[in-house]
Amino acid sequence: GAGVSQTPSNKVTEKGKYVELRCDPISGHTALYWYRQSLGQGPEFLIYFQGTGAADDSGLPNDRFFAVRPEGSVSTLKIQRTERGDSAVYLCASSPGMDSPLHFGNGTRLTVT
Amino acid sequence: AQSVTQLDSQVPVFEEAPVELRCNYSSSVSVYLFWYVQYPNQGLQLLLKYLSGSTLVKGINGFEAEFNKSQTSFHLRKPSVHISDTAEYFCAVNGGSYQLTFGKGTKLSVIP
Repeated sequence: GAGVSQTPSNKVTEKGKYVELRCDPISGHTALYWYRQSLGQGPEFLIYFQGTGAADDSGLPNDRFFAVRPEGSVSTLKIQRTERGDSAVYLCASSPGMDSPLHFGNGTRLTVT
Repeated sequence: AQSVTQLDSQVPVFEEAPVELRCNYSSSVSVYLFWYVQYPNQGLQLLLKYLSGSTLVKGINGFEAEFNKSQTSFHLRKPSVHISDTAEYFCAVNGGSYQLTFGKGTKLSVIP
């Protein structure tokens, strides 16, 4: 597609459940990023992939959060044992390289009840 | 470490009036600076960026920003706003790494 695609656009889950959020980056973009945007805040960095490997996962808040990018394209953000505080919009972005501007998807709005 | 402060959380302005959205940053290294716009229910879209060179940067939709190193500012301006400019605007800084640090955003409301 022409842009970064994120699915689902909305996800409602119960506290304690497991969720997966998917990101399809722009074709050919080697760099992929996940950000989290809480209500009233700017996006906060979670993790950065260069190719298949997580080059920096220092923004992941705790070990309930994990992300993969097995073939260097699609990425999945996985959240175990969800908590109400995980409710936010999860944004994915991709770029051709580290020094290039980011292209963002529309985000997945996660609501934990 | 770097940080971004957007001084106004909300800015109402009448249509066709000028607007300035303020952004200040702090960083211990040279920075790249960005403004992104987020329309309702959409992702972030790059408005403009400062990487080097001329301190006055022009972006899309008639917006421009000026990098002021001594004041550590990167304010966004438009001489005449339209209803369609109603959105949330985020200033962001990149201190030479891949991580963008965003401000909390400024909601611009254009009043007809």
